Amino acid sequence: AQKITQTQPGMFVQEKEAVTLDCTYDTSDPSYGLFWYKQPSSGEMIFLIYQGSYDQQNATEGRYSLNFQKARKSANLVISASQLGDSAMYFCAMREGGSYNYGQNFVFGPGTRLSVLP
Amino acid sequence: NAGVTQTPKFQVLKTGQSMTLQCAQDMNHEYMSWYRQDPGMGLRLIHYSVGAGITDQGEVPNGYNVSRSTTEDFPLRLLSAAPSQTSVYFCASSYGGRVTDTQYFGPGTRLTVL
Repeated sequence: AQKITQTQPGMFVQEKEAVTLDCTYDTSDPSYGLFWYKQPSSGEMIFLIYQGSYDQQNATEGRYSLNFQKARKSANLVISASQLGDSAMYFCAMREGGSYNYGQNFVFGPGTRLSVLP
Repeated sequence: NAGVTQTPKFQVLKTGQSMTLQCAQDMNHEYMSWYRQDPGMGLRLIHYSVGAGITDQGEVPNGYNVSRSTTEDFPLRLLSAAPSQTSVYFCASSYGGRVTDTQYFGPGTRLTVL
């Protein structure tokens, strides 16, 4: 079963508007971390933001914020004031705790391609 | 800090050739991993290491070997290249395997096998 679901294969947003990229996850572990990465057309994977399952507040990093709804198992990325340089693939990922197989405990979603329109 | 570095950036091989993709990190991270990224398949774990001298298989290990003789380096060897190994390869590292440990990625190697 998919542990990370990103239901939006592609999205468009107008420059300077806010956009929300959806991510839902599946785990029975009470301890986990959620990560978002950006992959521009140049190909590198850039870490954006982290949210821990026990964090009381939603994470924020500059124009990026995470709308974390634990009961719904969702961790949506919100990008405020979109810029042309935000056009990229965005991946949601999860690392589960309580696993003895730590090397394999990082899982990625399929990604959402965001296009920012001028 | 250079972070995670990978060489080469691009490589073209003929079927049957062997080669080594290099990966190094200067963050003193214990955990290192190799992923391949294919269209529509996302990122798939090939091999990983939780410390020098310790490696294990991921989801798609066939056709690849790894070793970890130092904390810094984690090379990936293709034993006999096949067209199915045409992909983009990413090396990643993290301090450890805790839920708070972010994985940082190298710039990737784009490999084409003819």
